[in-house]
Amino acid sequence: ETGVTQTPRHLVMGMTNKKSLKCEQHLGHNAMYWYKQSAKKPLELMFVYSLEERVENNSVPSRFSPECPNSSHLFLHLHTLQPEDSALYLCASSLARGGLDTQYFGPGTRLTVL
Amino acid sequence: AQSVTQLDSHVSVSEGTPVLLRCNYSSSYSPSLFWYVQHPNKGLQLLLKYTSAATLVKGINGFEAEFKKSETSFHLTKPSAHMSDAAEYFCVVSDLDAGGTSYGKLTFGQGTILTVHP
Repeated sequence: ETGVTQTPRHLVMGMTNKKSLKCEQHLGHNAMYWYKQSAKKPLELMFVYSLEERVENNSVPSRFSPECPNSSHLFLHLHTLQPEDSALYLCASSLARGGLDTQYFGPGTRLTVL
Repeated sequence: AQSVTQLDSHVSVSEGTPVLLRCNYSSSYSPSLFWYVQHPNKGLQLLLKYTSAATLVKGINGFEAEFKKSETSFHLTKPSAHMSDAAEYFCVVSDLDAGGTSYGKLTFGQGTILTVHP
C-alpha cells in the first residue's frame, strides 16, 4: 500500500488559488494515471502518462494541468477551480500502459473547493 | 465500447454468512476484468483479476469471482464474511481495442458498499 504515495491528503482551496497535488510511486512502474472520484459517480480517468509522455487526456478542463517530470513523479496543478471540482483525486501506476497490468493506487487527496 | 454495471449499490450481510456482489459488463472484444476494494480513507486495492485464463479467479482475503461469458457477468463471492470486509467494492473492465492493444483505460462500476453486521 505504500508503493504509491500522495500529498497532501487533504486540501481546501478557494476558487482563485493555485495549488498542486503530488504523487510518487516507488514500484519502478512506467505508467501513471490521475483519476477523479466524485460522490455517487464512477471513477473518472483524467490523464495517462507512459514513460513521461502524456498519452491520454479525457476532455479534462484546462484548469487541471498535469506534469510528469520523471517516471516516479506525477503532479496535478490546479488553478481557478470550481466547487464542482471538489472530489477525491487518486493517482495510480502500473508497470506498463495496458489493461492487463494491475494499477496500484495511492490513498488519494481529498480536495474541497470553496 | 465497454461498460460495467454493479447491480447493487448496497449489500448488507451478517458476519460469517456468504457474500455476493454482482457485476455485469459489456465489451467489444476480449475484456480483462478486475475487482478492487476501497476501505474508508484509503486508495483502491486489487482483489483479483481475470485475463482470459481460468474462468474462476481466486483473489486475496478469500474472495473469488467467476467469469461467465454467456451471462456477461463477473460476480464476486466469499463464503464467509468478516467484519474487516466492510468497504466499497468496484468492478472494473479493461477492453482491448480493434488492434488488440489496450490503452490502460479502466472503466469502473459505480461501486457496491458492503456492510457486515456482527
